[in-house]
Amino acid sequence: NAGVMQNPRHLVRRRGQEARLRCSPMKGHSHVYWYRQLPEEGLKFMVYLQKENIIDESGMPKERFSAEFPKEGPSILRIQQVVRGDSAAYFCASSQTGPSEQFFGPGTRLTVL
Amino acid sequence: QQQVKQSPQSLIVQKGGISIINCAYENTAFDYFPWYQQFPGKGPALLIAIRPDVSEKKEGRFTISFNKSAKQFSLHIMDSQPGDSATYFCAASISGGYNKLIFGAGTRLAVHP
Repeated sequence: NAGVMQNPRHLVRRRGQEARLRCSPMKGHSHVYWYRQLPEEGLKFMVYLQKENIIDESGMPKERFSAEFPKEGPSILRIQQVVRGDSAAYFCASSQTGPSEQFFGPGTRLTVL
Repeated sequence: QQQVKQSPQSLIVQKGGISIINCAYENTAFDYFPWYQQFPGKGPALLIAIRPDVSEKKEGRFTISFNKSAKQFSLHIMDSQPGDSATYFCAASISGGYNKLIFGAGTRLAVHP
């Protein structure tokens, strides 16, 4: 029973490039949350998705960031034209239903040079 | 109003001692209060959680105390062990809403042998 999977685990990008982070939820889970963790800080909510729908994107920066969770395949967090301030650990979590426990993946550590 | 304030920022405890981490919140709509444990390079893992209808919940060496009137909750780790050395995050959410977790800033616990 595989847990939440994220890839890549580490991603290095130069300023101006695009970063694509992937999250495969646990089997049977249809709710995905993305969080960002800056160095030495707590996790900050970014976006909540269900299959094919963005439910709450109140934590997403207005520009350059987008997320999707297609009917088939993993959820994708996309960051266009990355800047150094985007360097962080990005975690996704999945849950079976909205109110139930969230299980976190191992994270993708993005470094922007 | 969406903040969760966590203290202390760091904590050093001797093996066998009691570790106590405190959190406070403002939003009375929060009704789910989990604690997560995070080891370096890993994703957060749920440790224990409580809802406001009980004042205390115990699982093994871990206990959550909840004070609804004071809007505070705390994690107690009894008989602390070196293997407990990790960063601990409290969080809060509204389970009837989108259940996005609002995290505290974290407490870095070091248990010395």
